[in-house]
Amino acid sequence: GQQVMQIPQYQHVQEGEDFTTYCNSSTTLSNIQWYKQRPGGHPVFLIQLVKSGEVKKQKRLTFQFGEAKKNSSLHITATQTTDVGTYFCAGFLSGGGSQGNLIFGKGTKLSVKP
Amino acid sequence: GAGVSQSPRYKVAKRGQDVALRCDPISGHVSLFWYQQALGQGPEFLTYFQNEAQLDKSGLPSDRFFAERPEGSVSTLKIQRTQQEDSAVYLCASSVDRVSGPQHFGDGTRLSIL
Repeated sequence: GQQVMQIPQYQHVQEGEDFTTYCNSSTTLSNIQWYKQRPGGHPVFLIQLVKSGEVKKQKRLTFQFGEAKKNSSLHITATQTTDVGTYFCAGFLSGGGSQGNLIFGKGTKLSVKP
Repeated sequence: GAGVSQSPRYKVAKRGQDVALRCDPISGHVSLFWYQQALGQGPEFLTYFQNEAQLDKSGLPSDRFFAERPEGSVSTLKIQRTQQEDSAVYLCASSVDRVSGPQHFGDGTRLSIL
């Protein structure tokens, strides 16, 4: 089963409000990636975090990787209707035996009310 | 091509039939991945190729699933004796080189087994 948990499953916000989704792994991750999937679309790569405690920003999006490399978060400031979609975190296990196994969380589905 | 191309976009088959799904990755991309995405879930890893070598097939759910990439470019995912639980979207992704790098996804094949 999946070893990457993501909460919340759904988030409904008013346009202009902030949004945060959290990702937790039961095991240490070598890196974590974030993807966005619009309704009816495919996952689109947003960012990759590799270092413990790393923080990266993309305009209104802020991504964090925990010190223990077991958790991560994505924060969106002042949401817009274009932010609608499902946000997935995905991680590679540190020292894992499976070479290509990128483990996805179940995603947080964001809806934004204009 | 400009992106990852998958065909067909939709496939309907009767239970017990064999199906073949095609993935044409971004030109020059070394790594290729197959995922299965059920409704409302995150993509689940099936298998990974580096060029023509299948380095990880730990996610294939049964021996009815088979994938190949004979010339290190186009890949085919074959499902034999399909069952209803095989109904899902099958996503293909490619990345430039490293297995742990950003992945570029195709639009997927939506498979429905009747």
